[in-house]
This record gives sequence, C-alpha cells and structure tokens, in this order.
Amino acid sequence: GAVVSQHPSRVICKSGTSVKIECRSLDFQATTMFWYRQFPKQSLMLMATSNEGSKATYEQGVEKDKFLINHASLTLSTLTVTSAHPEDSSFYICSAGALGGGAYEQYFGPGTRLTVT
Amino acid sequence: AQSVAQPEDQVNVAEGNPLTVKCTYSVSGNPYLFWYVQYPNRGLQFLLKYITGDNLVKGSYGFEAEFNKSQTSFHLKKPSALVSDSALYFCAVREEGYSSASKIIFGSGTRLSIRP
Repeated sequence: GAVVSQHPSRVICKSGTSVKIECRSLDFQATTMFWYRQFPKQSLMLMATSNEGSKATYEQGVEKDKFLINHASLTLSTLTVTSAHPEDSSFYICSAGALGGGAYEQYFGPGTRLTVT
Repeated sequence: AQSVAQPEDQVNVAEGNPLTVKCTYSVSGNPYLFWYVQYPNRGLQFLLKYITGDNLVKGSYGFEAEFNKSQTSFHLKKPSALVSDSALYFCAVREEGYSSASKIIFGSGTRLSIRP
C-alpha cells in the first residue's frame, strides 16, 4: 500500500529557532500534500494544502510566513516552523494525495512531535 | 463547507459487548466518509471508508460503519469490543470529486475505552 513518511518523528528546539519537517510519499507520486496540526487531546486541524510546484493554500488563521511550506517535487513536501515559540509545540501530521483506482485517496504520515522550549 | 460532528467525547464499553461511536456529517454534495484510529503518540491508522455502494462498510480489525443518507450519519460499530480497541477515533469527510484540493475535515474525536 501507499506509504508516507515523516522526518523527524520527534524534535525539540529552542524558542526563536526554525525547524523543518519533511513529508515523503515513498512509493507513489503525490499531486497534493496536506499539513495538519494536532494539539493534545484535540482533533486534527488542517493548516494548508500544497500542490507540487505552486504556492500552498493556507487555512484561515494560519500564518503563512510562520509556517513555510515547500512542495518541490511529487514525493516531498516540507513544513518549516520559523521563529518557533512554545505555543507552536504540537503534533504535526502530513498526508499525501493521489489518484488511484479511479478515486482520489489521501495517505497519512506517522506524525512529528515538535516541542519548543 | 463540509463539517463533521462526533457528539461523544468518550465512550466506555465492557469487553465483549458491542460498541458504537457516533458521527454525523454535513456536505454540499455526495460525501466520502472515513474512520481513522489513533493510538497515543502515533499517527492515524485508516479503518474504513464509504465512497458509494453498500451502506454497510466493513473495515479493519472487525470494525464496520453504516452510511445513512437520510440521517447524515456514519456510525462506527463493532459487534464485540476488545481491550486493545481502546484508542482515539476520528470520523472524517471529504466532498466527492477528483479535485486534488478536496480537503478531509476531521471530527473532534471520540475516546473509546474498553474495560476488561
């Protein structure tokens, strides 16, 4: 089946630094990738949608200058949290989408836990 | 815009008893409906989906869900619960179509606790 990986799985960074999270589709090409964040004991909130080779579409309330998304290839999207603060600490999950079997499917990565100290 | 509601924050069931986790949805067109499970500090695991066809969908680990268009519901069920089923369950919806921009929207989640 389709596999999506995320790297790193856990990261701790100091306040004010930037951290990059990678999302890769391992055995398929993803026309679209989605980034979600999940606070403890809460649901997944969609942050942005990125299409390969074009600018990401951010959801309302998400700062595009703080959460930089790059989707340079059909198998890789990156989320960079710039000037991180403790309130950015969260579980970040990506998903990768592609047409398969006549239907559009999304496959989720295992998530990255970010802790900002 | 589509939305999903999971009215129960927590569901408690004794092992061996049937379980139901409720979900209702709202979309403008035909829905694609999903159930995912999440264990602590882990990503999402896909359980099942409804696209079209039979209203009763069977998925992983003995779970099934029934699509009810008139009630706009997609409740998750299992005939006999296991302690290992204890986890956080998310219902999700995506509008029908091939658009790569079709977003999946998640419900608030229901924590399922199965007591021995």
